[in-house]
Amino acid sequence: QVQLVESGGGLVKPGGSLRLSCAASGFTFSDYYMSWIRQAPGKGLEWVSNISSSGSDINYADSVKGRFTISRDNAKNSLYLQMNSLRAEDTAVYYCARRGSSGWYFFYWGQGTLVTVSS
Amino acid sequence: EIVLTQSPGTLSLSPGERATLSCRASQSVSSSCLAWYQQIPGQAPRLLIYGASSRATGIPDRFSGSGSGTDFTLIISRLEPEDFAVYFCQQYGSSLTFGGGTKVEIK
Repeated sequence: QVQLVESGGGLVKPGGSLRLSCAASGFTFSDYYMSWIRQAPGKGLEWVSNISSSGSDINYADSVKGRFTISRDNAKNSLYLQMNSLRAEDTAVYYCARRGSSGWYFFYWGQGTLVTVSS
Repeated sequence: EIVLTQSPGTLSLSPGERATLSCRASQSVSSSCLAWYQQIPGQAPRLLIYGASSRATGIPDRFSGSGSGTDFTLIISRLEPEDFAVYFCQQYGSSLTFGGGTKVEIK
């Protein structure tokens, strides 16, 4: 069965960096586009970034552009999010999710990893 | 950026009642690229509807989606106890954006 397992979250000071990972299993990872989506505590969902199956096509939300970098390692069935220059407003649960078969909707989600940016 | 506005913010209903949730877009959503999710606190979102009206695998038929252009609706025909949750719409026709959510609570 499809599984997405995020890791790497934690407490970091403003201006700091963190790298999130998402381990995928149960499907051919290299065939699928992937996304990071976040949710601030008690708030709604916010799309963060997309990456194509090969990694050649990448998009970011304006709120993270220039600070976050999405990448993938298809040999390791893993998705990553390098987060630099973190701000308090980046505090959220970060989910990785697999793109649907016919569009950018998400049937498969990880359980999420909490990133807290605070001094 | 397409802004999605969901209404009402909170819906107070009893089990067995019908729930009607609205999602309005600031501009037309191309090709009905709209999805609905259910989220129970502490859990990841669960896909209910994609393409405005197609039920995702395993979703009961009491959930139905409709609409096009800028106005979309999710209907839960008869609320079951497990349906009390927060519901989000998401458009994927132009980048990706989510609505602010509607909480369906027990009256």
